[in-house]
Amino acid sequence: GAVVSQHPSRVICKSGTSVKIECRSLDFQATTMFWYRQFPKQSLMLMATSNEGSKATYEQGVEKDKFLINHASLTLSTLTVTSAHPEDSSFYICSARVPLRDEQFFGPGTRLTVL
Amino acid sequence: GENVEQHPSTLSVQEGDSAVIKCTYSDSASNYFPWYKQELGKRPQLIIDIRSNVGEKKDQRIAVTLNKTAKHFSLHITETQPEDSAVYFCAASFTGGGNKLTFGTGTQLKVEL
Repeated sequence: GAVVSQHPSRVICKSGTSVKIECRSLDFQATTMFWYRQFPKQSLMLMATSNEGSKATYEQGVEKDKFLINHASLTLSTLTVTSAHPEDSSFYICSARVPLRDEQFFGPGTRLTVL
Repeated sequence: GENVEQHPSTLSVQEGDSAVIKCTYSDSASNYFPWYKQELGKRPQLIIDIRSNVGEKKDQRIAVTLNKTAKHFSLHITETQPEDSAVYFCAASFTGGGNKLTFGTGTQLKVEL
């Protein structure tokens, strides 16, 4: 299957700081990437759809000014959690859709802990 | 929007037995149904998927069935092994609507020796 990487794998930061997470498709070009958040023992919740060259589409209840998404190239999307607070602590996972196919492949996730 | 329900939330089976996980979806427009396996702290991995023009798909010990009329789809794992222990998620999407996946709540499968 297609390979998606994510960096960093783990980050600990102080409350009020911003954190950037990168998602890369390594062996294919992804016009569409997705960002999910997963709390412990819960399912994956879609936060936003990231489209190359255009603004991201956010799901209801997700603050676009807090979770900044940039999809500047066909292989890279970034999620920036601005002014992070302890309640933002979660497992953030990206996925990328293989062009002309339905499958989505996931990155390894980023464990964010806000102190 | 789409809503996906998944049952059971936990499932414990003896090694070698079969395991069945069931999901229902609400949006009749959904036409793509993948299943993901997620081990603790790891990424979800696509294990099998089915499209709405197919009623059943099999890949070795794993099979998925789809009943479009009832809006049900199920994952069947035969001859379970300890390494099958993980959380399994079903999902649904409409490929003409941006391919957004709506996930079920997950099933913790434990295969006991």
